Amino acid sequence: AQSVTQPDIHITVSEGASLELRCNYSYGATPYLFWYVQSPGQGLQLLLKYFSGDTLVQGIKGFEAEFKRSQSSFNLRKPSVHWSDAAEYFCAVGGPFGNEKLTFGTGTRLTIIP
Amino acid sequence: GAGVSQSPRYKVAKRGQDVALRCDPISGHVSLFWYQQALGQGPEFLTYFQNEAQLDKSGLPSDRFFAERPEGSVSTLKIQRTQQEDSAVYLCASSQTAMNTEAFFGQGTRLTVV
Repeated sequence: AQSVTQPDIHITVSEGASLELRCNYSYGATPYLFWYVQSPGQGLQLLLKYFSGDTLVQGIKGFEAEFKRSQSSFNLRKPSVHWSDAAEYFCAVGGPFGNEKLTFGTGTRLTIIP
Repeated sequence: GAGVSQSPRYKVAKRGQDVALRCDPISGHVSLFWYQQALGQGPEFLTYFQNEAQLDKSGLPSDRFFAERPEGSVSTLKIQRTQQEDSAVYLCASSQTAMNTEAFFGQGTRLTVV
C-alpha cells in the first residue's frame, strides 16, 4: 500500500528565510508525487507535481521540489518565504496512472514570523 | 464554472440524520473524486468516478456512505444515519482525466454531527 510521511507537524521560519518541507513516500513503482497548499477554510491548491523526467520540479509561487528515488523523498523548497506562504502543506502520492487515488500525508503547518 | 463548487459549505446534522453533499465539477472534467478530511489530518480518499461510472469506492468507511454521479457531471455524496465520527470536511475534486493531469479541489463542505 502507498503511504506518505511528513515528519514535521509544524515549522516556523522568518520572512525572507529559506524553507524546506520534508516528504517521504512508500510506493511499489514509479510514483506520481504532488505538493498541495491549503489556506484556512480553503480547498487544496496544487503547487507542483512530478510524473516523470527531470527530478527537479518547478511549481507556482516560487516553490520547487526534488524527487530522490534512492531516499524515497520529495522535499519542497523555497529560497525566500513571504508572509503569504503561511498555510498547511500536504504531500501526496498517486498511482498507478496519476491522480486517481491520492494518498496524502498528515500535513506540515507553516508559520511565518516577521 | 470557473472551479469546483461544493454545497452546502457548512452543514450541521443531528446524529441519525441523513445528509447529502453536492459537488459541481469543472465543466468537461471526466474524473471526479471525493475525499474526507478530519480535523488536523490530511485528506483521505473515499471514491472516484470516471464519467458516471464509479471505478473505485474502496475508501468509503461504511455502507452508510453512498456516492453517485448519474449523468457524469454533478455528484452527490450521501451519508445515512450520521454519527459523530462522520464530522469532517468533505472535499470534492475533478480532473480532465485521471492520468497525468491535475486534480482541482473545491473548498469543501464542513459537516458537524451533533
